[in-house]
Amino acid sequence: GENVEQHPSTLSVQEGDSAVIKCTYSDSASNYFPWYKQELGKGPQLIIDIRSNVGEKKDQRIAVTLNKTAKHFSLHITETQPEDSAVYFCAAIWSGYQLIWGAGTKLIIKP
Amino acid sequence: DAMVIQNPRYQVTQFGKPVTLSCSQTLNHNVMYWYQQKSSQAPKLLFHYYDKDFNNEADTPDNFQSRRPNTSFCFLDIRSPGLGDAAMYLCATSREGQLAGLYFGPGTRLLVL
Repeated sequence: GENVEQHPSTLSVQEGDSAVIKCTYSDSASNYFPWYKQELGKGPQLIIDIRSNVGEKKDQRIAVTLNKTAKHFSLHITETQPEDSAVYFCAAIWSGYQLIWGAGTKLIIKP
Repeated sequence: DAMVIQNPRYQVTQFGKPVTLSCSQTLNHNVMYWYQQKSSQAPKLLFHYYDKDFNNEADTPDNFQSRRPNTSFCFLDIRSPGLGDAAMYLCATSREGQLAGLYFGPGTRLLVL
């Protein structure tokens, strides 16, 4: 089955700096990779996703890159702001409707 | 705005006392999911409905049941809650199709006394 590893588990960056979270997956058949942001006490929110036929996707300060050969994908947040503090989950879709989740990264933005 | 709504947001129940959590959606998505999330962990899929077709995960305990009376509503029934069932329960929806992302509700936090 599919396995998704996510690193780091905690990331602390200075406000205004960039943050990068990395994930690797095991099943080369996986073809859709969403990223979710979860704030304290709330449900996860889809912030960006990428399909396997695309190498990079951007949405304002957020970007995701995908390397199919190496089977890894990354979330990039530029010009970090206090409201970016949250837990971020990567995931890979596998076998239809099953989402395989990474373990999560707690992002802390230091003022 | 189209959304996924969960009630109540907080639920306290007693050990062994049945409890029902509810979810409704205005997105008109045909797939609905129930996830369990314990602190600092990723959500764990319990089951999902593709229209009225119920799909149970292999490791979901029998203690957990679900009902979907129509497209908009879905319920999670916990027949005999144990202390280990205390968690955040998340409802999510998606459009038909393998590449659809999930839209989550705000969750119901369940406390078992």
